Amino acid sequence: DTAVSQTPKYLVTQMGNDKSIKCEQNLGHDTMYWYKQDSKKFLKIMFSYNNKELIINETVPNRFSPKSPDKAHLNLHINSLELGDSAVYFCASSLTSGGAIDTQYFGPGTRLTVL
Amino acid sequence: ELKVEQNPLFLSMQEGKNYTIYCNYSTTSDRLYWYRQDPGKSLESLFVLLSNGAVKQEGRLMASLDTKARLSTLHITAAVHDLSATYFCAGYGNKLVFGAGTILRVKS
Repeated sequence: DTAVSQTPKYLVTQMGNDKSIKCEQNLGHDTMYWYKQDSKKFLKIMFSYNNKELIINETVPNRFSPKSPDKAHLNLHINSLELGDSAVYFCASSLTSGGAIDTQYFGPGTRLTVL
Repeated sequence: ELKVEQNPLFLSMQEGKNYTIYCNYSTTSDRLYWYRQDPGKSLESLFVLLSNGAVKQEGRLMASLDTKARLSTLHITAAVHDLSATYFCAGYGNKLVFGAGTILRVKS
């Protein structure tokens, strides 16, 4: 059973479109995250939700909107896609939002290409 | 704000050799993580180091933490081709902050 899953795995779209990426975890974790990995493999946190509440909101354009319908799901909606949004987006989850050995488990990633 | 620096960023080594990847961080970090990423794949957790002097080992990889020097190391012993991957360290303040990653290529 996949612990953290994302769909789709690949997403190719035109500039200006709106798209969503879905994430689900079956680990029973309370906290979920979105990360962006750019073409140089640099990883940066975008958002974090704890039990459906937003707890980290990094400096991300407001075209990006996370939504957590329940603590097992965290979706990412992106409006008006731009070329610079092309990247791999990783979802992750952890048991809590800062426990002593709170390892984050990552999903397989969604490779977004904006043409 | 926590900053994490890794070096080297690229490491090409021969099978059977030993080498160390260094991870420096700028301010207090509650803990230090090491992750592995294979090309086109997700990140796999390798180690979490919680306290000064912590040492963890798994196979040919050994990680250590010196909180006074704000330094963690990942030591590779007798490298094999299967260890080829990108290795990230990450510190934790109120969020995970990653280093730039070290691309390791082990040549036969």
